[in-house]
Parts: sequence; C-alpha cells; structure tokens
Amino acid sequence: AQSVTQLGSHVSVSEGALVLLRCNYSSSVPPYLFWYVQYPNQGLQLLLKYTSAATLVKGINGFEAEFKKSETSFHLTKPSAHMSDAAEYFCAVSESQGAQKLVFGQGTRLTINP
Amino acid sequence: GAGVSQTPSNKVTEKGKYVELRCDPISGHTALYWYRQSLGQGPEFLIYFQGTGAADDSGLPNDRFFAVRPEGSVSTLKIQRTERGDSAVYLCASSLGGGADTQYFGPGTRLTVL
Repeated sequence: AQSVTQLGSHVSVSEGALVLLRCNYSSSVPPYLFWYVQYPNQGLQLLLKYTSAATLVKGINGFEAEFKKSETSFHLTKPSAHMSDAAEYFCAVSESQGAQKLVFGQGTRLTINP
Repeated sequence: GAGVSQTPSNKVTEKGKYVELRCDPISGHTALYWYRQSLGQGPEFLIYFQGTGAADDSGLPNDRFFAVRPEGSVSTLKIQRTERGDSAVYLCASSLGGGADTQYFGPGTRLTVL
C-alpha cells in the first residue's frame, strides 16, 4: 500500500526566505508524485508532478521539487517566498502501474510573515 | 474552458437522510474521481470511473455510499442513512485518461450532517 508523510503540519517563513516543504512516500512500485496547492476557499490546483522523466521538476509560481529515490522523498522548494504563497500544500502519490487513485499526505499549511 | 463543477456547494442534512452530490467533469475527460476531505486532513480516495464503469471503488467506506456515471460524463455520489461522521468536503476530479494524467479538482461540496 502507498502512503505519504508530510513533515510539519504548519510551516512559517518570512517573505523572501526559502520555502521547504517536506514529503516522503512509500510505494511498492515506481511512483508518480504530485504537489497540489489549495488557496483559501478554492479547489486543489496542481503545482507540479513527477512521472519518471527528469528528477528535478519545475512547476508554477516558481516552485520546484526533486525526486530522490534513495531517500523516498519529493520535497517542495521555492527560493524566495511571496505573501501570495500562503496556502495549504498537499503531496500525493499514485502508482505508475495499475491504480489511478491519488494517495494524499495530511497537508502543510504555509504562512508567510511580512 | 470550464473546469470541474460540483453542486450543491453546501449541503446540510439530518442524520438518517439520503443525499446526492453531483459532479460535472471537464468535457472530454474519460476519468472521474471522488475524494473525501475531513477537517485538517488530506483528501481520501473514494471511487474512480473510467467511462461509465467504476474501475476502482475500494475507497467507499461502506454500502451506504454509492456512485454512478450512467453516460460517462456527469457523476452522482449517493449517501444513504447519513451519519454525523459523513460530514466532510466531497471533492470530484477529472482527467483526460488515467495514469499520470493531471487530475483537475472541483471546488467541492461541503456536507454537514446534523
């Protein structure tokens, strides 16, 4: 069975500082990995996804994530935080073979301090 | 173009009642998913349709939950004899196909069972 662990349910950074949101997964088969963002009162929006091509994936709004198989990690980063980045972020995994469903982590709420 | 839409946006019902939640996927998307998001948690998979058939219903919690997609487009999630524990946001997503195709999420239906 697949699972996702997001370390830190709340992360707070200053505007302009590095954003690092952690995600570790377990999967018995090669995974597809996703980061979604949920702004207040809005639906989930895809930030980026890994599907076994390049291990460093660039997404929207300056975010990127690196797939590290040896560490079973897919951490999300952004060099310089903006106030508009305040939201809830979800990491998700699906199997590259068979099952199509996404298994989500519990989410990390990102707060940006002025 | 139009995204995934869900109706109603909010539904309040009494314990023991029957409810129906509707999802209109993006036109042309063959895959449709239902997830449930409880407060402070990530979305949890319920059921996945490929066309008209339920390809994976392993996430339905019990036989009070049922979903249909009779013409391969609109889907309805049906909950019988609602319980207070069913209170959550019910999310619908659609994708062009399965696999690594991006799942586009609707805004959700917030169900409250009194």
